[in-house]
Amino acid sequence: EAGVVQSPRYKIIEKKQPVAFWCNPISGHNTLYWYRQNLGQGPELLIRYENEEAVDDSQLPKDRFSAERLKGVDSTLKIQPAELGDSAVYLCASSLGERATDTQYFGPGTRLTVL
Amino acid sequence: AQSVAQPEDQVNVAEGNPLTVKCTYSVSGNPYLFWYVQYPNRGLQFLLKYITGDNLVKGSYGFEAEFNKSQTSFHLKKPSALVSDSALYFCAVRVETGANNLFFGTGTRLTVIP
Repeated sequence: EAGVVQSPRYKIIEKKQPVAFWCNPISGHNTLYWYRQNLGQGPELLIRYENEEAVDDSQLPKDRFSAERLKGVDSTLKIQPAELGDSAVYLCASSLGERATDTQYFGPGTRLTVL
Repeated sequence: AQSVAQPEDQVNVAEGNPLTVKCTYSVSGNPYLFWYVQYPNRGLQFLLKYITGDNLVKGSYGFEAEFNKSQTSFHLKKPSALVSDSALYFCAVRVETGANNLFFGTGTRLTVIP
């Protein structure tokens, strides 16, 4: 079974430029998550989708971040414009459902460097 | 509020010796606890989880963890460490109520010395 797929794996941009990350979850998983992992820290949730609905985006900085999950499968996370502090690893995860007991499976992440 | 503490940033153990990576938690309600491992330039890999029932949970690659409600702990253990176990380990907690989000600790770097 294929795991969570993310692209690109690495991205280097200059500040104020836009950037987008793509995620394809495990087939059949209805719930999709975007996390940000800063250096030396654990992942922190940015947004959670149940099918195509964003059920929790309280931690998403909405002035510059946006996300979508059209058709309830693939998802894209965008930053515009990027700031130096956005340098981090952006992880996508998926689970069968949104129950607290459902295991989240993570993709390899996108390492973003903002210069 | 939910929180997870991993009190050791770094754990060193000799190959073949038992290893323990510590985790304590603080939640309102019943906790669901998870352990993940992260290898360099890779995402988090699921190791095991505690939902209910037997306090000793067995997972992937010979790892196990013991849920201790009175001490609010969920330490990760392995009887005999391998060099290939060297990685970054994250403990995480989730509850059914409230935001229902997965909260991670800051991670513990395990180094197994040949």
